[in-house]
Amino acid sequence: AQSVTQPDIHITVSEGASLELRCNYSYGATPYLFWYVQSPGQGLQLLLKYFSGDTLVQGIKGFEAEFKRSQSSFNLRKPSVHWSDAAEYFCAVVPYNTNAGKSTFGDGTTLTVKP
Amino acid sequence: EPEVTQTPSHQVTQMGQEVILRCVPISNHLYFYWYRQILGQKVEFLVSFYNNEISEKSEIFDDQFSVERPDGSNFTLKIRSTKLEDSAMYFCAGRAGGPTDTQYFGPGTRLTVL
Repeated sequence: AQSVTQPDIHITVSEGASLELRCNYSYGATPYLFWYVQSPGQGLQLLLKYFSGDTLVQGIKGFEAEFKRSQSSFNLRKPSVHWSDAAEYFCAVVPYNTNAGKSTFGDGTTLTVKP
Repeated sequence: EPEVTQTPSHQVTQMGQEVILRCVPISNHLYFYWYRQILGQKVEFLVSFYNNEISEKSEIFDDQFSVERPDGSNFTLKIRSTKLEDSAMYFCAGRAGGPTDTQYFGPGTRLTVL
């Protein structure tokens, strides 16, 4: 069955430390891959996306993600976390070659940043 | 930068009442979506809409739900007879072109059914 998995429900890091949020997918063909951030009470903001080409993609706010086909993963990273990065992070996929283009989201990872 | 807007930001209704959630997508967008997020849970797809018809819907989107783009600018989600379990944040989204285009999400409408 097609699925998106974010194994970590909650992650706590210290400000200035590095961050990696995991995302795995299970689809017949590599889907289009996205990371969104949601601050409390807010909508979803796109951080970055991957369709093809360079497997390391750069996004906004200093985030990057690496696509690894062999591991069916698309992990989000940031070298140095800021207190303002505390939020909910969602990995999402859009199936390849579909016009409807609906997004399927993972369960999300809540990031807490310690001072 | 253009934004997707949604009204109201918060709607409180009694069980069994009809509600209409409104969205104004970005003007050049052609594909439209509704998603919902029950408190503390993930975002779930409800329906996609293109060329004035539903292109895909989830099992959540039953006969109690309908969507409409009545005037070429607004995109609405109607729930005919609300249930307690319809309480959630509802997000509208749109994109201009194919599935590689970015989906832009609105800020959401929080629906509370009492």
